[in-house]
Amino acid sequence: GQNIDQPTEMTATEGAIVQINCTYQTSGFNGLFWYQQHAGEAPTFLSYNVLDGLEEKGRFSSFLSRSKGYSYLLLKELQMKDSASYLCAVLDSNYQLIWGAGTKLIIKP
Amino acid sequence: GAVVSQHPSWVICKSGTSVKIECRSLDFQATTMFWYRQFPKQSLMLMATSNEGSKATYEQGVEKDKFLINHASLTLSTLTVTSAHPEDSSFYICSARSFEGETIQYFGAGTRLSVL
Repeated sequence: GQNIDQPTEMTATEGAIVQINCTYQTSGFNGLFWYQQHAGEAPTFLSYNVLDGLEEKGRFSSFLSRSKGYSYLLLKELQMKDSASYLCAVLDSNYQLIWGAGTKLIIKP
Repeated sequence: GAVVSQHPSWVICKSGTSVKIECRSLDFQATTMFWYRQFPKQSLMLMATSNEGSKATYEQGVEKDKFLINHASLTLSTLTVTSAHPEDSSFYICSARSFEGETIQYFGAGTRLSVL
């Protein structure tokens, strides 16, 4: 079966750095996405990785290792507004998005 | 990024009535649109995939006669929840992909449906 694992909840301090991990087992791989979702709102696109390595975009970076079935989202200089759920999703061989359950990130002052 | 508009953002209806939710791509033509539902503290659950001009493909366990999807144009898809019941209360979200081979899905703001 297809499976995406990410921690249910994480807590970090304002101004710090946090890494949210995601491991996956899917039938085929056509890329991995990270989305941010604030409570009561729809997801917003953060990043897309299809090749191994680190993609940096401002305070957010995303890393992918296809051989390990592993990705992480790195958030630097955390701000209170970064409190949200972060969803990992993999595009499988049928170009269908397989979603993780999301990681709720709590930022404390 | 591309903009997807979803309307209404919140709807309350009586049990037994039907509710229509609209999803529009504002600045691009969406060959494929997706409809999701999300229960509190759970991840997105894909309900169906709709391609312009053809019948929607429903996921296993989703009643196609209850959740009617129409994708009549490249910028508009609608989801109609027919004969809604309290258990249909949920957060419904649409997303769109601009062209075949495009991998990024852009999401609408979501519709919170409460059935009394």
